[in-house]
Amino acid sequence: GAVVSQHPSRVICKSGTSVKIECRSLDFQATTMFWYRQFPKKSLMLMATSNEGSKATYEQGVEKDKFLINHASLTLSTLTVTSAHPEDSSFYICSARVTGRNSPLHFGNGTRLTVT
Amino acid sequence: GDSVTQMEGPVTLSEEAFLTINCTYTATGYPSLFWYVQYPGEGLQLLLKATKADDKGSNKGFEATYRKETTSFHLEKGSVQVSDSAVYFCALPTDKLIFGTGTRLQVFP
Repeated sequence: GAVVSQHPSRVICKSGTSVKIECRSLDFQATTMFWYRQFPKKSLMLMATSNEGSKATYEQGVEKDKFLINHASLTLSTLTVTSAHPEDSSFYICSARVTGRNSPLHFGNGTRLTVT
Repeated sequence: GDSVTQMEGPVTLSEEAFLTINCTYTATGYPSLFWYVQYPGEGLQLLLKATKADDKGSNKGFEATYRKETTSFHLEKGSVQVSDSAVYFCALPTDKLIFGTGTRLQVFP
């Protein structure tokens, strides 16, 4: 089946530094990838939709300058948390869809970001 | 607009008990419906899906039937195991994917 690989699984960084998270579709091409953020014991919050070769579409309230998304190829999207602060500590999950809107999303295993 | 309403948790059961997690939806047209499961510290995995009314999705002993008349897609399992302890999300695909709030299931031996 479709596999999405997310890296790293855990990262600890100091306040003020930037962190890049990679999301790869291993056995399919993904023109669209989605980035979610999950707070403890909460549902997933969609942050942005990443489209290959074009700018990402951010959800309301998500700072595009803070959460930089690049979807440079059909198999790779990256999320960079710039100038991270402790409040950015969270679980970030990417996902990709193989075909149309009625097909399921396949998720990476998530990245636990801790900003100290 | 499109939405998903999922029962609040946590749901606490003993092993071998019967499980129901309710999910209802509001949608334009007749979309597919999904259940995802999230084990501790992991991403989400597709558990099952149904693509049209009256379809029954099933996997790992879990079942859910797409009921158009009640706009529901309740998740059921006849006999839960400790290993089923996880968070379960009902989801509705639109241009994105709309999730329910998630229901935490805790199964004790």
